[in-house]
Amino acid sequence: QSALTQPASVSGSPGQSITISCTGTSSDVGAYNYVSWYQQHPGKAPKLMIYDVSKRPSGVSNRFSGSKSGNTASLTISGLQAEDEADYSCSSYTSSSTLWVFGGGTKVTVL
Amino acid sequence: DVQLVESGGGLVQPGGSLRLSCAASGFTFSLYWMHWVRRAPGKGLVWVSRLISDGTSPNYAPSVKGRFTISRDNAKNTLYLQMNSLRAEDTAIYYCARDGDNYNFDYWGHGTLVTVSS
Repeated sequence: QSALTQPASVSGSPGQSITISCTGTSSDVGAYNYVSWYQQHPGKAPKLMIYDVSKRPSGVSNRFSGSKSGNTASLTISGLQAEDEADYSCSSYTSSSTLWVFGGGTKVTVL
Repeated sequence: DVQLVESGGGLVQPGGSLRLSCAASGFTFSLYWMHWVRRAPGKGLVWVSRLISDGTSPNYAPSVKGRFTISRDNAKNTLYLQMNSLRAEDTAIYYCARDGDNYNFDYWGHGTLVTVSS
């Protein structure tokens, strides 16, 4: 069982918006603004999509946005495209000895 | 372009050892902290270990502390993970990742598969 809780799957039609939640605790997501999101296509390397809760690295589409409320962070993909179909994982720095925790991953399907 | 290429994975018996390597290119390796992260089959990503730029002050997840050793050779632009006393639950794809500025992982390799089985 992963430390952060994500839905196993989320789906949407092209052009729609979807939101993936990532629920942690007051020791990780709720304590730090160090939540990041990673996209991974099958057989490929994970790619950083969002860091510091809501910042986008250079080159990442502005269709991807992040937010946080309390112990839950969220990733929103707007204007869903076929290429967005992938696995998305959240991560947070934590005050525990584990230092970083991840979610179990959410498979995004574009219908 | 930043590139991280892992190698050294394979099939090993329980109790055995394996050393993973991660060859870095496209950036000044000696300036960056580096991590190992793993994903067991059907499971989520799990942070394993971190090493700061000068090779000192390693950190480990409790599940591997005392069995795994992270190291680096800045002259060879290579990160290592020595894994001893391997267990079935260590079976996973192991990724090396570069440390971003703020507690994130900004570049990852494609991973190398480690299978612990008799």
